[in-house]
Amino acid sequence: QVTLKESGPVLVKPTETLTLTCTVSGFSLTNARMSVTWIRQPPGKALEWLAHVFSNDEKSYSTSLKSRLIISRDTSKSQVVLNMTNVDPLDTATYYCARILNGVLVDFWGHGTLVTVSS
Amino acid sequence: SYVVTQPPSVSEAPGETARLTCGGNNIGGKSVHWYQQKPGQAPVLVIYYDSDRPSGIPERFSGSNSGNTATLTISRVEAGDEADYYCQVWDSSSHNLVFGGGTRLTVL
Repeated sequence: QVTLKESGPVLVKPTETLTLTCTVSGFSLTNARMSVTWIRQPPGKALEWLAHVFSNDEKSYSTSLKSRLIISRDTSKSQVVLNMTNVDPLDTATYYCARILNGVLVDFWGHGTLVTVSS
Repeated sequence: SYVVTQPPSVSEAPGETARLTCGGNNIGGKSVHWYQQKPGQAPVLVIYYDSDRPSGIPERFSGSNSGNTATLTISRVEAGDEADYYCQVWDSSSHNLVFGGGTRLTVL
């Protein structure tokens, strides 16, 4: 059974760094067909892809946000971590961790975690 | 980077056929994937690689992709189909996953 679970702070202050952790089960982070991605959704708005890390540890970042994002993984813990620097209230969103299949589509999603950026 | 465009809303009466579109420059040359999102829930994959259906998705859901438009078709629309629907492609030039802005399907 494939599961992905997001964890991290509920509230972050502007200019701080947001750190989110995704813990996966039911598949391996080193499986060649699978990778893990982060996607966010501001309240009432559309989905926005942020970053993902492939099975060979190659990373890919949203063109518009790549200067603020770092994605990493710990295969021994089955975890993928996303760091977003210098957060702003506009970064308030539900952040989803999800599994990418063949590098191109999302086949499993976590439940999401709502992060609010506010002083 | 690549842009995909969806109409903000579509409405259909129960039993009718809803057609949700996803536009992009030569999108027919890319694979399109569709997600359904109900309020307060994570999205669910309903169509992948233009027209394939994951297990558990009703046959009423189908997809096509040609030219500059991909289409998600929902036949015999039911109240339970009311949701936001997002199309998504992989932009190989920018190595970005790209989502459309979503279409809200309202069942009248």
